[in-house]
Amino acid sequence: EVQLVESGGGLVKPGGSLRLSCAASGFTFSSYSMAWVRQAPGKGLEWVSTISSRSRYKSHADSVKGRFAVSRDNAENSLYLDMNSLRVEDTAMYYCARVRGGTTDVCDYWGQGSLVTVST
Amino acid sequence: DIQMTQSPSTLSASVGDRVIITCRASQSISNGLAWYQQTPGKAPKLLIYKASTLETGVPSRFSGNGSGTEFTLTINSLQPDDFATYYCQQYSSYSTFGPGTKVDIK
Repeated sequence: EVQLVESGGGLVKPGGSLRLSCAASGFTFSSYSMAWVRQAPGKGLEWVSTISSRSRYKSHADSVKGRFAVSRDNAENSLYLDMNSLRVEDTAMYYCARVRGGTTDVCDYWGQGSLVTVST
Repeated sequence: DIQMTQSPSTLSASVGDRVIITCRASQSISNGLAWYQQTPGKAPKLLIYKASTLETGVPSRFSGNGSGTEFTLTINSLQPDDFATYYCQQYSSYSTFGPGTKVDIK
């Protein structure tokens, strides 16, 4: 059974940093691209970043480019999102998702999310 | 950047109804479109990708159609579990989600 479990969320002040982690199991992690998608409270979904299976390709939304960095450790079956210079508008539930094979950015399995709150 | 719109934003329907949601892209995305279903407090669930390919395990009452800039998600014979918010997503150029369509009980 595919499982994705996020961790690392919490309350942080504007300008602060946070690292989200996603532990994957139940599939061959190193064979899949992975993505982060966020959802502000009461709002819609926003794609944040995608990383290819061997980290060769990484992409980020313009809203986080230069502040967030996606990475992965295939030996540890883990995905990461390093978030710097956090803003109030980054407050959201952050979902880790597996990218469906044969597609780009289509997410077929999702974690339950990790809540990031940026506030004074 | 490719922008996505959805209509309607809210739709009231009854069990057994046929429901159609429209998604439009600001430029052609060929068939690079997916649909997701989300219920409150839960992660989204993939329903359809490549505009019309049903994800494994998704009931056949869900169907997708379209190409280029205009797409539809149809739910035939709406079931109680189908009251949810539906999002389209283009993945032709990076990724953009539509604003969502909430299907609630009439």
